[in-house]
Amino acid sequence: GAGVSQSPSNKVTEKGKDVELRCDPISGHTALYWYRQSLGQGLEFLIYFQGNSAPDKSGLPSDRFSAERTGGSVSTLTIQRTQQEDSAVYLCASSLDFGHVTQYFGPGTRLLVL
Amino acid sequence: RKEVEQDPGPFNVPEGATVAFNCTYSNSASQSFFWYRQDCRKEPKLLMSVYSSGNEDGRFTAQLNRASQYISLLIRDSKLSDSATYLCVVTGNTGKLIFGQGTTLQVKP
Repeated sequence: GAGVSQSPSNKVTEKGKDVELRCDPISGHTALYWYRQSLGQGLEFLIYFQGNSAPDKSGLPSDRFSAERTGGSVSTLTIQRTQQEDSAVYLCASSLDFGHVTQYFGPGTRLLVL
Repeated sequence: RKEVEQDPGPFNVPEGATVAFNCTYSNSASQSFFWYRQDCRKEPKLLMSVYSSGNEDGRFTAQLNRASQYISLLIRDSKLSDSATYLCVVTGNTGKLIFGQGTTLQVKP
């Protein structure tokens, strides 16, 4: 694919349920990033991967959040026991490698927790 | 204090106007600086990098003042299509990008 893709594009779930968000980075990009953007707010860094390793998980809001990346490609962000405050747009980005100037963003997953 | 601070606006300007956005950052060790653009309900996209000597790309001019930890973006001859949110971005200690909350621009006919 030409760009970063994310699925699903929209997700509505009930409080307490688990959700999985998927990100397909640009082919050949070794670095992958997850951000969260709440309504009217800036991007909040969650976690990044260099290859399959996650050197910086400092942005994960709680232990209900986890992420993995396999094969140096696809990544999934899992939110367990969702809460209403988890409602946001979850954006994934990739870059050639960590620290490279340009991060290319996917269209995001809009999560609504009822 | 937020690591990157911007005036959220909105800035409402007529077509053809010149508008400037400012941004301050708290980490004096930041090495790289950028402006990203985000259209409504879309993902952010890189607009331009910001260099110490200042740089220009068409109608857009970016400036960096390391001593004051201040970044600016100037847009000349505003177009309707410039309406968007402009995100100031700096690198943190570990090299990851830190985003400001953005400044919203509305260009009106």
